[in-house]
Amino acid sequence: EVQLVESGGVLVQPGRSMKLSCAASGFTFSSFPMAWVRQAPTKGLEWVATISTSGGSTYYRDSVKGRFTISRDNAKSTLYLQMDSLRSEDTATYYCTLFAYWGQGTLVTVSS
Amino acid sequence: DVVMTQTPVSLSLAIGQPASISCKSSQSLVHSDGKTYLSWILQRPGQSPKRLIYLVSKLDSGVPDRFSGSGSETEFTLKISRVEAEDLGVYYCWQATHFPYTFGAGTKLELK
Repeated sequence: EVQLVESGGVLVQPGRSMKLSCAASGFTFSSFPMAWVRQAPTKGLEWVATISTSGGSTYYRDSVKGRFTISRDNAKSTLYLQMDSLRSEDTATYYCTLFAYWGQGTLVTVSS
Repeated sequence: DVVMTQTPVSLSLAIGQPASISCKSSQSLVHSDGKTYLSWILQRPGQSPKRLIYLVSKLDSGVPDRFSGSGSETEFTLKISRVEAEDLGVYYCWQATHFPYTFGAGTKLELK
């Protein structure tokens, strides 16, 4: 059974950093590109970033480019999202996704 | 960015009635590899998203065959032949042909 379990979401002040993790199991992690998608409270879904199978290629939405870094550790079957210079508009539930499968999400709240 | 326009915004239907949701993209979703990366996702209340359909018309494993997807280029449709109680929630179309990936604003299906 495919499982994606996100962690790391907390309340953080604007300008600070945070790192999200997504532990994957039930499939060959290294064979699939992965992504982060977020959902602000009561809003729709918004793609954040995608990473290739090897980690050699990464893609970001403009609003997070230069502030967020997606990475993966295929030996640990884990996906990461390093978020720096956080803004209030980054407040959202962040989902780790294999596109066919989604985690339960982790809530990031950016507020002073 | 590719704009995904979903209609209607909401649907109120009785169990057993058919449903149809439209999704139009601002540009063709045919990728250079010839595939069309258009998916449909359902987010039930309080749950994480779940993919129902990928590549326009392919049903994910375990998805009932009362769901169907169709369309091409810039116009796509999700149909439910007979709505059941478990189908309520918000439906999103999602394109992964062009970066940044983009979602429709969602269609809320409520039971009458």
